[in-house]
Amino acid sequence: DAGVTQSPTHLIKTRGQHVTLRCSPISGHKSVSWYQQVLGQGPQFIFQYYEKEERGRGNFPDRFSARQFPNYSSELNVNALLLGDSALYLCASSLDLGTTYEQYFGPGTRLTVT
Amino acid sequence: KNQVEQSPQSLIILEGKNCTLQCNYTVSPFSNLRWYKQDTGRGPVSLTIMTFSENTKSNGRYTATLDADTKQSSLHITASQLSDSASYICVVSTLSGGYQKVTFGTGTKLQVIP
Repeated sequence: DAGVTQSPTHLIKTRGQHVTLRCSPISGHKSVSWYQQVLGQGPQFIFQYYEKEERGRGNFPDRFSARQFPNYSSELNVNALLLGDSALYLCASSLDLGTTYEQYFGPGTRLTVT
Repeated sequence: KNQVEQSPQSLIILEGKNCTLQCNYTVSPFSNLRWYKQDTGRGPVSLTIMTFSENTKSNGRYTATLDADTKQSSLHITASQLSDSASYICVVSTLSGGYQKVTFGTGTKLQVIP
């Protein structure tokens, strides 16, 4: 079985542009979460989606948005990019919403904003 | 403010030795606590997950403990190997009213040397 996949693996954007990152969960997993990890720091929780509904949100500005599709894949959108948005964006999937369900992380998308 | 603090920030040990990493949290209400191992530039991989009622969980050479009263957890690594060199991240989750919040610690960077 394939694990969590993310695309693209690397991305370079300029300030002010917008970006869309994609995530495909493990087959059968209904919940997808997004995290931002700045170099040298631990991941920061951005969003969790379950059954196409937002079920968790971290302290990120409205420039960050996400959605989940009927096939449980997900997109993270970031508008009006800032230099500080440069980070590794991680997607994780889990079978269900409950926090005791194991989360499996993808390899991440490395975003560089210049 | 929900926080997860880890210590030490970094650690160097000789191959074959044991070590213990610490995690203190103020997250409330508490649902579960996870320890992850993260290799540089890759997504985190789950080591253990503990709920409120569990006070110890083992995964091979990794043993996690949890004291929910003092809000402390530790990860003990036995007979360390060179491949244990990585960042170890403590993560605390809450689930309230169907809404989840996840707080990551900043991690402990472990280096195992020959």
